Amino acid sequence: AQSVTQLGSHVSVSEGALVLLRCNYSSSVPPYLFWYVQYPNQGLQLLLKYTSAATLVKGINGFEAEFKKSETSFHLTKPSAHMSDAAEYFCAVGRGSTLGRLYFGRGTQLTVWP
Amino acid sequence: KAGVTQTPRYLIKTRGQQVTLSCSPISGHRSVSWYQQTPGQGLQFLFEYFSETQRNKGNFPGRFSGRQFSNSRSEMNVSTLELGDSALYLCASSLETIREQYFGPGTRLTVT
Repeated sequence: AQSVTQLGSHVSVSEGALVLLRCNYSSSVPPYLFWYVQYPNQGLQLLLKYTSAATLVKGINGFEAEFKKSETSFHLTKPSAHMSDAAEYFCAVGRGSTLGRLYFGRGTQLTVWP
Repeated sequence: KAGVTQTPRYLIKTRGQQVTLSCSPISGHRSVSWYQQTPGQGLQFLFEYFSETQRNKGNFPGRFSGRQFSNSRSEMNVSTLELGDSALYLCASSLETIREQYFGPGTRLTVT
């Protein structure tokens, strides 16, 4: 079974500071990896995806994530936080053998202080 | 391209009733997946449909069912509603060969 762990259910940063949201997965084969963001009362918006091409993936809104197979990690970063980044972030894993199903972490709530 | 649409956005039902939620995928997407989101359990997979066939199913009771039509639109039905069914129900669509899913805004179901 797939497992996704997001370390830290809440992360707080100051505006302009580095954002680092952690995600570790368990998989015996290279998975598909995703980061999604959810704003209040909305659905999930895709930030970026890893599909075994480049290990450093750039997404929307200045976010990027690095796939590290040896650490089974896919941490999300942004060099400089903006107030509009405050939201809940979800890491997700998919595999070809589980069609149409993504396994989600429990989410990390990001707060950005002025 | 229009995104994934879900109707209705908000719904209030009483215990024992049944409910039907609707999802229209992005044009050209043939796969539709459904998830339940609650504060306690997080995002849980319900089922996935492709070309009118259910390909994958999560661990939910038989009260939860779905279907997909020839135009890829999908519906999910919950019968004999329980208080614990109160949740945000999210629909997502994707192309067959690309694994990322695009989500709709969700339907907020409240069971009283």
